[in-house]
Amino acid sequence: ETGVTQSPTHLIKTRGQQVTLRCSSQSGHNTVSWYQQALGQGPQFIFQYYREEENGRGNFPPRFSGLQFPNYSSELNVNALELDDSALYLCASSPGRGKAFFGQGTRLTVV
Amino acid sequence: QQQVKQSPQSLIVQKGGISIINCAYENTAFDYFPWYQQFPGKGPALLIAIRPDVSEKKEGRFTISFNKSAKQFSLHIMDSQPGDSATYFCAASTGFASGSARQLTFGSGTQLTVLP
Repeated sequence: ETGVTQSPTHLIKTRGQQVTLRCSSQSGHNTVSWYQQALGQGPQFIFQYYREEENGRGNFPPRFSGLQFPNYSSELNVNALELDDSALYLCASSPGRGKAFFGQGTRLTVV
Repeated sequence: QQQVKQSPQSLIVQKGGISIINCAYENTAFDYFPWYQQFPGKGPALLIAIRPDVSEKKEGRFTISFNKSAKQFSLHIMDSQPGDSATYFCAASTGFASGSARQLTFGSGTQLTVLP
């Protein structure tokens, strides 16, 4: 186990709704990243937070937003859900030296 | 420039055989190359990683070979076991040398099946 926990594990939402996914980082890790993994594909980088500040963003629209809290836990928020947002959302925490440890993911289904 | 290309898409190996998965990259700023193993319904798990200043790294049955001039790296799984059946992803990132974690760029994955 990596010590990175995500909640919920599964979620079904309707198109147009908003969703919040949560991640608890491994102890001592001050960097958290979020990835989207569509079925049969590799994870795609959404954004990264370092000490509560956004520290990089991938090619995702602004309706994907995030937060990192003082205890280094994090949230991913997605507004105006689209069918193509259906995917496994992965949170990864890092101690700042490249190594990223992933949680088990949240499976989001948009109907 | 940010792509990491992975092959093959799927691989079937007999128990005890050698599994080889290849990746190629374009961005010469990449300085950290990890491999991840992912089982169905689980998140990717870090398997082994290499820096570009070494040509090979071995951990147990897993070996990474790295060719900096060709911008290619590969994962070798020796004595493959049915329990190794999973999807394997190569990845690359920048910023390792400076101590700052950067985004991982993943390959498309290889589904490995090891037959008993």
